[in-house]
Amino acid sequence: SQQGEEDPQALSIQEGENATMNCSYKTSINNLQWYRQNSGRGLVHLILIRSNEREKHSGRLRVTLDTSKKSSSLLITASRAADTASYFCATDAWDNYGQNFVFGPGTRLSVLP
Amino acid sequence: EAEVAQSPRYKITEKSQAVAFWCDPISGHATLYWYRQILGQGPELLVQFQDESVVDDSQLPKDRFSAERLKGVDSTLKIQPAELGDSAMYLCASSFEGGNNEQFFGPGTRLTVL
Repeated sequence: SQQGEEDPQALSIQEGENATMNCSYKTSINNLQWYRQNSGRGLVHLILIRSNEREKHSGRLRVTLDTSKKSSSLLITASRAADTASYFCATDAWDNYGQNFVFGPGTRLSVLP
Repeated sequence: EAEVAQSPRYKITEKSQAVAFWCDPISGHATLYWYRQILGQGPELLVQFQDESVVDDSQLPKDRFSAERLKGVDSTLKIQPAELGDSAMYLCASSFEGGNNEQFFGPGTRLTVL
């Protein structure tokens, strides 16, 4: 089963509003990463947060990590139409077979002008 | 800016035919990944290479899929024979060392099996 699960599956907001996406996972992790994917394109790395970190910022992006709840959130402030994309969390963990890198199913964000 | 190259961008084939995808990672990146992404889902890791060695191929359907990275640089993913359920986007990514490093993705190859 997938390690990461994003919530909500789809989100529609107006330009200028903030967008929050959540990611839950099941096992201990080394780090958690967020990626963006525009329709039909490859993924673009946004932020990596390590298991000993609680919050990171990058421009209009803010990521939090709560290892006790096994969850992470991605906040996009002052959203723009260009932020319309799918957002995926990916967990990097070790299991019985070695290193395990798993993407969640993603949140589809639509920012309306 | 360095990018991961993939070819072809689009491939249409009939079931039972063989297909091959090529990936050239960013220079100096030791770790290379092949993912399959079905429409509306997240990428699923098929195989991970560290240099020329396979690190993880636990999700690779080995009866029909094969991957190689002979010189530890570019890589080829092959499907033989292709099945209808193989229609998907095939993404290649590379990272400097794997683990605590971001992955850089190529544009992908969209495969349609008829």
